[in-house]
Amino acid sequence: KNEVEQSPQNLTAQEGEFITINCSYSVGISALHWLQQHPGGGIVSLFMLSSGKKKHGRLIATINIQEKHSSLHITASHPRDSAVYICAVGAHRGSQGNLIFGKGTKLSVKP
Amino acid sequence: DGGITQSPKYLFRKEGQNVTLSCEQNLNHDAMYWYRQDPGQGLRLIYYSQIVNDFQKGDIAEGYSVSREKKESFPLTVTSAQKNPTAFYLCASSSGGQRGSYNEQFFGPGTRLTVL
Repeated sequence: KNEVEQSPQNLTAQEGEFITINCSYSVGISALHWLQQHPGGGIVSLFMLSSGKKKHGRLIATINIQEKHSSLHITASHPRDSAVYICAVGAHRGSQGNLIFGKGTKLSVKP
Repeated sequence: DGGITQSPKYLFRKEGQNVTLSCEQNLNHDAMYWYRQDPGQGLRLIYYSQIVNDFQKGDIAEGYSVSREKKESFPLTVTSAQKNPTAFYLCASSSGGQRGSYNEQFFGPGTRLTVL
């Protein structure tokens, strides 16, 4: 079983829809990251959080440490949001700032 | 502009040849990382360096080598010993910090390596 599981693997939405991507992990963590990877391959860090909730524009990330679960929400989705969204955790077992990555959720937003 | 550059974007090599992927950052970050991405899999750590002249193996270091002679540069060599080198390679850096702390990692644009 992977230490970081994301769902769904693939997601297709219509423009304007509210989107939720989930991430569950099985290790103790110091922080959780949400990353965005566009078709060209480059990765952008969206959020790093260790508790509660963070918001940036139309993106909201939440984390529940007790349940070992995080969600990424996109409000009023747009075709430019189409990308692969990756959850990554900084695990306690690693003391070097390394991350464990989920396999990603491929989002496609149709106009 | 500050950031991380990787070159080349696409790289082709013949089987049995070594090849070096470049990674440069001007963010003044102490820590640098190399990841490998394969279709349907999460990124996996190849090597990382917390400080100049020091580096550590990650989860899949076999068949790879690195150097960290300068703070801003962390080149990765894919050797002929790497059995399945075709993949997308990503370099990242972070400000490092105290042992056990986690700082945001900034990623380069990646290099897609194809072995012919």
